[in-house]
Amino acid sequence: DTAVSQTPKYLVTQMGNDKSIKCEQNLGHDTMYWYKQDSKKFLKIMFSYNNKELIINETVPNRFSPKSPDKAHLNLHINSLELGDSAVYFCASSHHLSGGPGETQYFGPGTRLLVL
Amino acid sequence: AQSVSQHNHHVILSEAASLELGCNYSYGGTVNLFWYVQYPGQHLQLLLKYFSGDPLVKGIKGFEAEFIKSKFSFNLRKPSVQWSDTAEYFCAVKSGGSYIPTFGRGTSLIVHP
Repeated sequence: DTAVSQTPKYLVTQMGNDKSIKCEQNLGHDTMYWYKQDSKKFLKIMFSYNNKELIINETVPNRFSPKSPDKAHLNLHINSLELGDSAVYFCASSHHLSGGPGETQYFGPGTRLLVL
Repeated sequence: AQSVSQHNHHVILSEAASLELGCNYSYGGTVNLFWYVQYPGQHLQLLLKYFSGDPLVKGIKGFEAEFIKSKFSFNLRKPSVQWSDTAEYFCAVKSGGSYIPTFGRGTSLIVHP
């Protein structure tokens, strides 16, 4: 029944490790996103994929690499984790990327990443 | 680039008090406007949205927002808050040609029982 799901919900790891966060949506949407929410609750867009194609890549270190095996999945792989990567990462999806009326983003539950 | 301002970063109210959270944006063209709520430890959920038509929009849980184009504002209101309304509230604005919305930095609302 879950619309946008993410795994894991919590991730605690050491600096320098490589980790992945998975996202799946069962809404039949074309577009998926990754957002980072920092400790001050500020929500920043990282990536957007439309039909498995990278559309938006904001100023994000190369250590972050999104992968979309199909329209329903957008995974985030992070290499060489740093302390500053600690945050909540939200996946979201929307019907289209067109930006037209009716476009609403649906968010996943978030992955709380803590880098020690 | 468009920007979204939520002037109240922290709001503390008693139950049954009335609520108004401010949201102002900088873009002058056609906009789509959203309010999201994030309950403690949970994901963002859509409260309400405005695309066109009646500038007074009613959302879930008794919330409403009014789009005032001349003031570039989309303030969120609720006549009587409950303890369960304690959450972070995010305003988001998408301009006509933009792919993604810009989020404000959020307002933390605490309602005392």
